[in-house]
Amino acid sequence: LAKTTQPISMDSYEGQEVNITCSHNNIATNDYITWYQQFPSQGPRFIIQGYKTKVTNEVASLFIPADRKSSTLSLPRVSLSDTAVYYCLVGDSENAGNMLTFGGGTRLMVKP
Amino acid sequence: ETGVTQTPRHLVMGMTNKKSLKCEQHLGHNAMYWYKQSAKKPLELMFVYNFKEQTENNSVPSRFSPECPNSSHLFLHLHTLQPEDSALYLCASSRNTFPYEQYFGPGTRLTVT
Repeated sequence: LAKTTQPISMDSYEGQEVNITCSHNNIATNDYITWYQQFPSQGPRFIIQGYKTKVTNEVASLFIPADRKSSTLSLPRVSLSDTAVYYCLVGDSENAGNMLTFGGGTRLMVKP
Repeated sequence: ETGVTQTPRHLVMGMTNKKSLKCEQHLGHNAMYWYKQSAKKPLELMFVYNFKEQTENNSVPSRFSPECPNSSHLFLHLHTLQPEDSALYLCASSRNTFPYEQYFGPGTRLTVT
């Protein structure tokens, strides 16, 4: 079971780049890494998913080093509306329950 | 904007009541999920359905009873709940259980009195 560890909270300012790191030391060969964003009283929203190296979409980038024991979600030029909780999930097709286990997440506060 | 809808959005029920939560997805997905999110706690996976078959039940008490009549609809039947069951109940769907991203509904805020 690939357990994830994230910082509980982070503060940033508008316009800055924010990097949130997730540790998953016992990640397995078939595990993918997925990040979600959640606003208060709403369901989480998928941000990005990756297996190795770098993945980029219109919202964020995901950096995964060669050993895959950690991953970093990068949010470019954050705005106040990026204030939310960000969850890192790790899991594979053999253990769907792992992929669907949300930890405590990182509470990002963006200040003006 | 979401392709997953949930009704009702808010529900207050007594411990002896029976009620049902409804979830509908308009995305053509095959997998559907129920999650519970209590205050200041992470999301807890409750049930997983894939192609209408239940594939995961995370030791959920029997007072919660899921039903998936087809791939587009998911219900959570509630009876004799406890005050600690008060939470945000979230429904989600995905194309299949892995590795596709989940799309969540807005949730039902349940209060048990």
